[in-house]
Amino acid sequence: KAGVTQTPRYLIKTRGQQVTLSCSPISGHRSVSWYQQTPGQGLQFLFEYFSETQRNKGNFPGRFSGRQFSNSRSEMNVSTLELGDSALYLCASSLISPSNYGYTFGSGTRLTVV
Amino acid sequence: TQLLEQSPQFLSIQEGENLTVYCNSSSVFSSLQWYRQEPGEGPVLLVTVVTGGEVKKLKRLTFQFGDARKDSSLHITAAQPGDTGLYLCAGVPGGGNKLTFGTGTQLKVEL
Repeated sequence: KAGVTQTPRYLIKTRGQQVTLSCSPISGHRSVSWYQQTPGQGLQFLFEYFSETQRNKGNFPGRFSGRQFSNSRSEMNVSTLELGDSALYLCASSLISPSNYGYTFGSGTRLTVV
Repeated sequence: TQLLEQSPQFLSIQEGENLTVYCNSSSVFSSLQWYRQEPGEGPVLLVTVVTGGEVKKLKRLTFQFGDARKDSSLHITAAQPGDTGLYLCAGVPGGGNKLTFGTGTQLKVEL
């Protein structure tokens, strides 16, 4: 079966712009989470969506937002980009709950803010 | 302060050597997971341990969950270059609901 698909793989944006990243989970998976990965901070939790509702949220500013559609596909948006937003953004899906079933991760979107 | 501390942070060994990676916390976890991440890819789930004291084996990898469910270890026997990668532990602390990842251990196995 197809894995978790993230698009685009690479993105270069300018400070102040906004960006939208897309994630298609494994078919049947209803939980979709987003993480930011940087060399200094490791994997930091952004948010989790389940059945189109945000179920959990990390400690990121309001510039980071997300949503989930009825087909479980998810998008995350970052507005007013800052240099520090440069990172690998990972999407992960789980059947119901990642604590019980674990995550399947996509390959990530590498965002560079210049 | 990270909820899950891993040690060592970096490990470079020769093929055939054994190694152990540790994942420690002051919090109790209902379960812990281990992932491996290779460059340019997302982490891949290796195992989930649920019961305190539980030991799981996956070929040359042995995972153990501490009796108090606050720590876990990953032991690799006769490491191979294919084991190279970033090893991450992850868990949901008691009373919480977010899967939190550890600080990571970067392993390099050389010929």
